[in-house]
Amino acid sequence: DPKIIQKPKYLVAVTGSEKILICEQYLGHNAMYWYRQSAKKPLEFMFSYSYQKLMDNQTASSRFQPQSSKKNHLDLQITALKPDDSATYFCASSQDGQSQNTLYFGAGTRLSVL
Amino acid sequence: TQTVSQSDAHVTVFEGDSVELRCNYSYGGSIYLSWYIQHHGHGLQFLLKYYSGNPVVQGVNGFEAEFSKSDSSFHLRKASVHWSDSAVYFCAVSANTGYQNFYFGKGTSLTVIP
Repeated sequence: DPKIIQKPKYLVAVTGSEKILICEQYLGHNAMYWYRQSAKKPLEFMFSYSYQKLMDNQTASSRFQPQSSKKNHLDLQITALKPDDSATYFCASSQDGQSQNTLYFGAGTRLSVL
Repeated sequence: TQTVSQSDAHVTVFEGDSVELRCNYSYGGSIYLSWYIQHHGHGLQFLLKYYSGNPVVQGVNGFEAEFSKSDSSFHLRKASVHWSDSAVYFCAVSANTGYQNFYFGKGTSLTVIP
């Protein structure tokens, strides 16, 4: 059974709309992350949370907002969607935010913005 | 800032061949180096990592990687590949700052011909 669940697996949205990508992890980890992967760019770090607190934000746009309602949840809200936002978004987790920990990834949400 | 370079975008070999996937990094401080594998349509999975000690580290499925400080490299090797090793391989670096932030290379797509 997958330990990091991302929903939905596929998502189609129209330009200007808003979507929420869901991520739940059942590994008992305290740190969670969002990464983005597209044809134009390699795997790109977006956000990291540790114990439900934002640790790092490498996303220039405020249209991307992580939301952590529980320790094992880190959803990603994207507003005013643009075609350039089309990518696969991966959620990941690690034991805590320490450098030596291994990252565990979900299967991803493939977002297409028309 | 760390950078990771994977010079080969695509590598094609025959089943039973040996393979080396190259990774070079740029960072002046203490770092963790890792390799991850991504099968088509899936998230990344951890293969192996290095921080200190023996520069040759063993991973899952017969993979190993060797750290070289002089060459700033962390190349991944396998002595005899199987068709199921076909995937994209990502090298990653995380600075040993006590806080985790992985930077990934662009990935090398390995195709193993049966």
